[in-house]
Amino acid sequence: NAGVMQNPRHLVRRRGQEARLRCSPMKGHSHVYWYRQLPEEGLKFMVYLQKENIIDESGMPKERFSAEFPKEGPSILRIQQVVRGDSAAYFCASSDHQDNEQFFGPGTRLTVL
Amino acid sequence: DAKTTQPNSMESNEEEPVHLPCNHSTISGTDYIHWYRQLPSQGPEYVIHGLTSNVNNRMASLAIAEDRKSSTLILHRATLRDAAVYYCILRGLGNSNSGYALNFGKGTSLLVTP
Repeated sequence: NAGVMQNPRHLVRRRGQEARLRCSPMKGHSHVYWYRQLPEEGLKFMVYLQKENIIDESGMPKERFSAEFPKEGPSILRIQQVVRGDSAAYFCASSDHQDNEQFFGPGTRLTVL
Repeated sequence: DAKTTQPNSMESNEEEPVHLPCNHSTISGTDYIHWYRQLPSQGPEYVIHGLTSNVNNRMASLAIAEDRKSSTLILHRATLRDAAVYYCILRGLGNSNSGYALNFGKGTSLLVTP
């Protein structure tokens, strides 16, 4: 049973470009969470999605960031017009119920030049 | 949200037990105590959780104080692979603000020396 998969593992973008981060949850999991870890800081919750619905995006920056979890395919975290401050590790987690343990992927490390 | 307080760092010798403390004096009656850890350059992984009673699993044990204002994660025999940041997190039921969104805080960085 494959774990949570994220790709790419490393992503380099220049300022102003778009970044697309993908997350495939564990089989049977319909709850997806995105977290961001800035350098030398703890992980911060960004958004919680269920299939085709955003449940809570209270941790998402108001501009440039969006997330989706379509009926088919992986969850996508999209960052438009990236800035240097977006450089961080982005982790995706999934669970089979919102109260159960979350299984994390290996993360995508975004570097903005 | 109820908060937790952990030491910034701890050190242990290999094959010795490790006791990682966590204070949560403002815990509510419906908050579960969860522990996750993050090994270097990896995503976090679940370790253990409990509500009131002490819990054991293959990875660790969780000792919860009678008043629930503190807890201790116990690694019975630390190995080099246990070197990680350990996070003590309170989770309420899913319909509360402290439910699904894990609040990681700064955690305790555990160093294991051979």
